[in-house]
Amino acid sequence: NAGVTQTPKFQVLKTGQSMTLQCAQDMNHNSMYWYRQDPGMGLRLIYYSASEGTTDKGEVPNGYNVSRLNKREFSLRLESAAPSQTSVYFCASNVRDRSGNTIYFGEGSWLTVV
Amino acid sequence: GENVEQHPSTLSVQEGDSAVIKCTYSDSASNYFPWYKQELGKRPQLIIDIRSNVGEKKDQRIAVTLNKTAKHFSLHITETQPEDSAVYFCAASGTSYDKVIFGPGTSLSVIP
Repeated sequence: NAGVTQTPKFQVLKTGQSMTLQCAQDMNHNSMYWYRQDPGMGLRLIYYSASEGTTDKGEVPNGYNVSRLNKREFSLRLESAAPSQTSVYFCASNVRDRSGNTIYFGEGSWLTVV
Repeated sequence: GENVEQHPSTLSVQEGDSAVIKCTYSDSASNYFPWYKQELGKRPQLIIDIRSNVGEKKDQRIAVTLNKTAKHFSLHITETQPEDSAVYFCAASGTSYDKVIFGPGTSLSVIP
């Protein structure tokens, strides 16, 4: 049981290049998320998917696209990378039960756009 | 949409003292409030949470209080230890539980 796995862990892109961050979870969770983390800004929600086949915008969706390929996988695509997208990206999934909504994060992907 | 504010942004305490972090939220429909701890270079991990039908919850040295009328909730850490040094995030989610919004974080330093 690996939990939430995201790749790559580190990536350097040139401005204008595209790339896809991959994420998979093996916990049979319905909901999955992409957050970005910047100093002093906390964790900001980019997109989320409440279930297979659905995606919704979060707080900062501009410049990103997502695909919920199946229940396990949720990818984040940068079509034309910009320096402002330099950040640490976290994929996450959650289990909803009577006690609440526990989010499990991946290890993070460090992206630098030059 | 939901907006979560968090104060202070940085906090330094002496080992053994208490630490308090406060958060406010904007959406009165929010009813679930988790707290996450993130150590340097690692992923955030849940440390405690509270639902809107509860006013206070404790887990050893950690407690969370919720005031739904005022729309604020707080994290209390007693008898702080150096290993409590980390960034702490509060968050809020609503009835659907799907959209979870985080505060900007508090960097806690516990000085030995």
